[in-house]
Amino acid sequence: GQQVMQIPQYQHVQEGEDFTTYCNSSTTLSNIQWYKQRPGGHPVFLIQLVKSGEVKKQKRLTFQFGEAKKNSSLHITATQTTDVGTYFCAGSSGGSNYKLTFGKGTLLTVNP
Amino acid sequence: GAGVSQSPSNKVTEKGKDVELRCDPISGHTALYWYRQRLGQGLEFLIYFQGNSAPDKSGLPSDRFSAERTGESVSTLTIQRTQQEDSAVYLCASSTGQGIYNEQFFGPGTRLTVL
Repeated sequence: GQQVMQIPQYQHVQEGEDFTTYCNSSTTLSNIQWYKQRPGGHPVFLIQLVKSGEVKKQKRLTFQFGEAKKNSSLHITATQTTDVGTYFCAGSSGGSNYKLTFGKGTLLTVNP
Repeated sequence: GAGVSQSPSNKVTEKGKDVELRCDPISGHTALYWYRQRLGQGLEFLIYFQGNSAPDKSGLPSDRFSAERTGESVSTLTIQRTQQEDSAVYLCASSTGQGIYNEQFFGPGTRLTVL
């Protein structure tokens, strides 16, 4: 079955440093989504990428979808304490846009 | 409603008892999902509904787990003869089930503790 791997598992940064998490799929994806889960909270949708090579920005967050549609990354510039949480990527494939396979997530902690 | 709701928010039960977890999706959302999240872990897919039918039950861990959905709305996840390894947060999500862009909206989850 489809597998989505995410690295690193944990990342601790000083406030103001940059942060990147990477996501790799064992199969070609039709689309990839990113979610953020604050400690004690539930996952909240951030963005969806559909096109090969797509790059989207949300303020300090930059999302990329690889040319082969098998990998993706999330980059945060100049982290803030409000960025703390677990970032999950989730991909769908095989003609279904609805069933997502989630990566295990990257837990980001930020030292003020 | 404004978002996905789940009840109860917390459930403590004794090993061997049955539990029912409820999910109320966003009105009009045809797709509904159940996930399990163990402490500090990722989301484990359990089951997916499109309308009232479940085209994918592949994630249900054992035959002790079942789920149903009625009226293309409320869904219940039932765990029979609970075991301690069933302790986790059970998350429900819904989406429109249409089109290419299909974000999932998550409920707050039910924290299940099996003693």
